[in-house]
Amino acid sequence: EVQLQESGPSLVKPSQTLSLTCSVTGASITSGYWNWIRKFPGNKLEYMGYINYSGSTYYNPSLKSRISITRDTSKNQYYVQLNSVTTEDTATYYCARNYDSSPFAYWGQGTLVTVSA
Amino acid sequence: DIQMIQSPSSMFAFLGDRVSLSCRASQGIRGNLDWYQQKPGGPIKLLIYSTSNLNSGVPSRFSGSGSGSDYSLTISSLESEDFADYYCLQRNAYPLTFGAGTKLELK
Repeated sequence: EVQLQESGPSLVKPSQTLSLTCSVTGASITSGYWNWIRKFPGNKLEYMGYINYSGSTYYNPSLKSRISITRDTSKNQYYVQLNSVTTEDTATYYCARNYDSSPFAYWGQGTLVTVSA
Repeated sequence: DIQMIQSPSSMFAFLGDRVSLSCRASQGIRGNLDWYQQKPGGPIKLLIYSTSNLNSGVPSRFSGSGSGSDYSLTISSLESEDFADYYCLQRNAYPLTFGAGTKLELK
């Protein structure tokens, strides 16, 4: 069974970089699309972007200048970095797997990141 | 971006009720619409994909329909485990966009 697990700091200071890891078991990240999605307080969900089987990436234009999604195939992990965070980036961050434009059948449990001084 | 207007934002219902949730896209999305469920503190789960296809393990009391820009999720007879938050997602165009959610609560 495919399982995803997010990890990383739960507290980040404003202007710093948010860095999270998604560890994947039961599937290789060299197959499919590997996504980041976040849920804000108040429950709005935002699609952030993906890294796919070949290492190509897509970023939501709303984040394009601040976001980077990378991977380490040897560890079967992928990562998100969000630069210059503000309190508006406080959210629960989820990793999720799909294939190009297919449903998100597999999700991590989510990790809450609070941006605060 | 395609805007997804989900309604109602919240609703109260009794066990056994039939309820329908709506999602309207700002443009046609050719059936590329999914429904997700999340219970408090729990994971986000795929319920229905591509308008009307039940994900594996989803009870048959859930159904989806729609076309063009208008879509709905129907629960034919509410059970206690169905009280949760529901979100629609359009996969027709990037950036993928979600509805704001419907909170389904027990009356």
